[in-house]
Amino acid sequence: GAGVSQSPRYKVTKRGQDVTLRCDPISSHATLYWYQQALGQGPEFLTYFNYEAQPDKSGLPSDRFSAERPEGSISTLTIQRTEQRDSAMYRCASSSSAGAGANVLTFGAGSRLTVL
Amino acid sequence: AQSVTQPDIHITVSEGASLELRCNYSYGATPYLFWYVQSPGQGLQLLLKYFSGDTLVQGIKGFEAEFKRSQSSFNLRKPSVHWSDAAEYFCAVAKGNTNAGKSTFGDGTTLTVKP
Repeated sequence: GAGVSQSPRYKVTKRGQDVTLRCDPISSHATLYWYQQALGQGPEFLTYFNYEAQPDKSGLPSDRFSAERPEGSISTLTIQRTEQRDSAMYRCASSSSAGAGANVLTFGAGSRLTVL
Repeated sequence: AQSVTQPDIHITVSEGASLELRCNYSYGATPYLFWYVQSPGQGLQLLLKYFSGDTLVQGIKGFEAEFKRSQSSFNLRKPSVHWSDAAEYFCAVAKGNTNAGKSTFGDGTTLTVKP
């Protein structure tokens, strides 16, 4: 697509439930990133993909968090057994893999997760 | 590990006045530096970036920033603020030899513009 699209925009869930967030990056972009942004803070890196490969998942806070990008385009971020501390804005960004645009991120509008 | 400090949580300026948002970073080598703006309901938008070369960089919407290695700073400036500039601004740093997607962000500065 023309921009980075995330869904759902808002998700309210009860503690202990699983949630899955979706990101559809710019179609020509090979690299995709997930960030977590708590209220009043800047985004924090979770993980990234280069096509379908996931070279770095060092920012995932626990094994309850996982992400995949099986066909190198759309990605999902899944949080199992959600906890209240998981409440945050989850942001997806994409960038091209080479050239002048390689280090320029395009962000989606984010998915706001609230865990009750 | 790199870190970013934005000392001002909230700044208020009058429309037409000049603006400077401060950013200090901690990183041992040459960093990649970025400023993003976040408007309500929108994703972060890149204003400008510094990779190397001229330490004064120009960005979109009339913004500029100056990289000062001796002060570990990358302050954002605009000569005359417009009401539409009201938003949250984030400074970010990435290692110079890796991709910008692993940037470390500051906690942001919220800009309010008075009429």
